[in-house]
Amino acid sequence: KAGVTQTPRYLIKTRGQQVTLSCSPISGHRSVSWYQQTPGQGLQFLFEYFSETQRNKGNFPGRFSGRQFSNSRSEMNVSTLELGDSALYLCASSWGDRGPSGYTFGSGTRLTVV
Amino acid sequence: AQTVTQSQPEMSVQEAETVTLSCTYDTSESDYYLFWYKQPPSRQMILVIRQEAYKQQNATENRFSVNFQKAAKSFSLKISDSQLGDAAMYFCAYRFRGGSNYKLTFGKGTLLTVNP
Repeated sequence: KAGVTQTPRYLIKTRGQQVTLSCSPISGHRSVSWYQQTPGQGLQFLFEYFSETQRNKGNFPGRFSGRQFSNSRSEMNVSTLELGDSALYLCASSWGDRGPSGYTFGSGTRLTVV
Repeated sequence: AQTVTQSQPEMSVQEAETVTLSCTYDTSESDYYLFWYKQPPSRQMILVIRQEAYKQQNATENRFSVNFQKAAKSFSLKISDSQLGDAAMYFCAYRFRGGSNYKLTFGKGTLLTVNP
């Protein structure tokens, strides 16, 4: 079966611009989570969506937002980009229940802000 | 808040040898999951092995096994018969089983090098 698909794989943006990243989860998975990965901070949780509702949110400013569509695909938006937003953004999908199933990750979107 | 600590930023092992990666975590909860993920240069995080905290038996997946010490809050990963393809960054992760928070908390990672 198809894995988690993230698009685009690479992105270069200028400070002040906004960006939208996309994530298509594994078929049947209803939960999509987003993580930011940087060399300094490691992997940090951004937010999680389940059945089109944001269920959890990490400690990121309001410039970071997301949404989930009825087909479980999710988008993440960052407005007014800052240099510090340069990172690898990973999306993970899961069934969304409390079971032990792990999360399946995509290959990420590498965002560079110049 | 839960924290996950990986004290070894880098490790190396000879091909066919055994290596153990360390992970400790801090939580006040008793019911949770622990995971080891592998991230090769392709960037995709791949689940290596999972452990349910309420199970005393250590999880095993082929050449990968864990030593889960709940009282000590320790969760180490042992890789036997190391292969060149095992070279990657390894992350230990925690997830609370109850409540409404489904996030994974990751350690900083251990970069594993496999020498031929």
